[in-house]
Parts: sequence; C-alpha cells; structure tokens
Amino acid sequence: DIQMTQSPSTLSASVGDRVTITCRASHSISSWLAWYQQKPGKAPKLLIYKASNLESGVPSRFSGSGSGTEFTLTISSLQPDDFATYYCQQYNSNSPTFGQGTKVEIK
Amino acid sequence: QVQLVESGGGVVQPGRSLRLSCAASGFTFSSYAMHWVRQAPGKGLEWVAVISYDGSSKYYADSVEGRFTISRDSSKNTLHLQMNSLRREDTAVYHCARVPLGGLMGPMDVWGQGTTVTVSS
Repeated sequence: DIQMTQSPSTLSASVGDRVTITCRASHSISSWLAWYQQKPGKAPKLLIYKASNLESGVPSRFSGSGSGTEFTLTISSLQPDDFATYYCQQYNSNSPTFGQGTKVEIK
Repeated sequence: QVQLVESGGGVVQPGRSLRLSCAASGFTFSSYAMHWVRQAPGKGLEWVAVISYDGSSKYYADSVEGRFTISRDSSKNTLHLQMNSLRREDTAVYHCARVPLGGLMGPMDVWGQGTTVTVSS
C-alpha cells in the first residue's frame, strides 16, 4: 500500500495567517491526490482534487499544489470557519489511503 | 438534493455480523462507484471498500478482506456493507461516499453522515 504522511500533525494559527500543510506519498502518485476538511462529528468535505483543482463551492483561499510524492494544501488567509482537521488521500491505486490528518487549532 | 444516508449501525459482540446500508438520493446512483470509509474514535480516516457503478469490480482494504462484502442494489438506490466476524478494532463510524462520474478510484465528492458500529462484549 502507498503510505501518506502529513505534516505537521497539529498546527496553531491565527485568523488571517497563511497556512501550509504538507503531504508526502511513499511512492509516486502522479497528481492523484485529494484534500478534505473535517469538523468534529461531521463528514469530510472535499476541497481539492487531482492535486490542484478546487472543488465547486470551495473558497478560493484554499489551493493545492504538487505532483509525484510531495503535495501541499495552502490556506491563504485563515478564517474562523477553517479551524478543522485536514486529510490528504491518494487514489492512484486500488487501495486508496489517507494521511493521518492535520488539526488546525486557534492560536 | 444529492444525499447519502447510512443506517444499520449498533452494538454487536465480537465474532458476530452486521449489515450496513447507505440510501442514495438526488442523483443517478447506478452511474457512480461507491466507497465505504471508516473512522475509529479519535482516529483518522480509513478506506474500507469500493464497488464499481455496475457492481462488477470490488476492492477491499487488507484489514477487512475476507470478512466484509460490499454490494449494491441499484433498483433501490442502496449500497450495503455486510460485516462478518467482527473484531473490536472494527469499532468506528462508517461513512459511504461517492466518486465522481467515470471513476472507480477517485476523490470522494459526496459523503454520508455515518453510522456508528461498536464491537464489544
């Protein structure tokens, strides 16, 4: 299986900060990567697909980049609604895998 | 609107079985591949299984292979997960999720709220 490793595991930030989360794959996955946001007790929400494509309805402050084994999710100006846990997911193989998650907390 | 609603969760003893369902509405269910994803208490997301739009292809995580079976009834717009030989480590919230048209493996663009399975004696 392809292992996905996110960093950091926890991130403390303030409203208005620029935030970057990194996701590394154990093998190349081309651009077959998605990012999700999850709030407590809620289902995950798709933010980004194919590494850099913004899902419809997602604010433009979210962006994704990368290919191969290294990817980033950037929030250009953190808003109160963005405090949540973020997951990357590879879908390059017949066994999709998620990163362990990055919790974005209020500083 | 596009919606997925899971049901069938509960408390079950180790070694017993449980069948989860996911009712789809607001889209042409028979055209989409569907996944099950679970989340143990306080943990991250774990992919469980996928079924193609026509039911001809199915894949499973190693952790459930041979114990869980994914199926679909497109006449009833319903996805199922038959879980046998349950273990304590299967305790989780189980979500069903849709993959956009044309994909088996892909980003999951619609999710259900989940149903909770607790395996305990």
